[in-house]
Amino acid sequence: ETGVTQTPRHLVMGMTNKKSLKCEQHLGHNAMYWYKQSAKKPLELMFVYSLEERVENNSVPSRFSPECPNSSHLFLHLHTLQPEDSALYLCASSQGQGQETQYFGPGTRLLVL
Amino acid sequence: GENVEQHPSTLSVQEGDSAVIKCTYSDSASNYFPWYKQELGKRPQLIIDIRSNVGEKKDQRIAVTLNKTAKHFSLHITETQPEDSAVYFCAASSYGGATNKLIFGTGTLLAVQP
Repeated sequence: ETGVTQTPRHLVMGMTNKKSLKCEQHLGHNAMYWYKQSAKKPLELMFVYSLEERVENNSVPSRFSPECPNSSHLFLHLHTLQPEDSALYLCASSQGQGQETQYFGPGTRLLVL
Repeated sequence: GENVEQHPSTLSVQEGDSAVIKCTYSDSASNYFPWYKQELGKRPQLIIDIRSNVGEKKDQRIAVTLNKTAKHFSLHITETQPEDSAVYFCAASSYGGATNKLIFGTGTLLAVQP
């Protein structure tokens, strides 16, 4: 359960705040992902990185800004969020060889007031 | 783009009974179909997956079947136990190079009554 870690686990922020979510994987993987999980909706893929290069951006609003400084770390920078952005944000990683298992982190529960 | 539909949204069974969850996909290019289990307050974890070159795969009490013609796949859990209670997500993807772009279903909340 410690292969993919996320901090913080819980975050409350106002709409004018700036905050960052952090994900770290200790599995030696080359691909990392950000997902948004809202109640009664499917997991929504937000961003995909392969070897620190962004390869997918699923029409995510610019108030979400990802950063992947190296293959072990992934950040999601948040600014001027809306209440509807409240959700569980999950990070995942995979080996980076195509259709293989994704390993998820525990998620950050975000509440935007 | 790909769309994955999952049914039912909730499923309650008695311990020892079987449970079946069904998913359909829209993109005929999809060729990889994993199932993830998410227990309350925990992270999703892969429990089984199937690729389009096989029609069925089993792992102890769980099995997955795939019908490429009808574009649907199902998860079967036999001899259910209380610890099987969780939300189950199906997903689909087509080959996309080094990364695995998964499109998830909406999830099925399975409750196993002791």
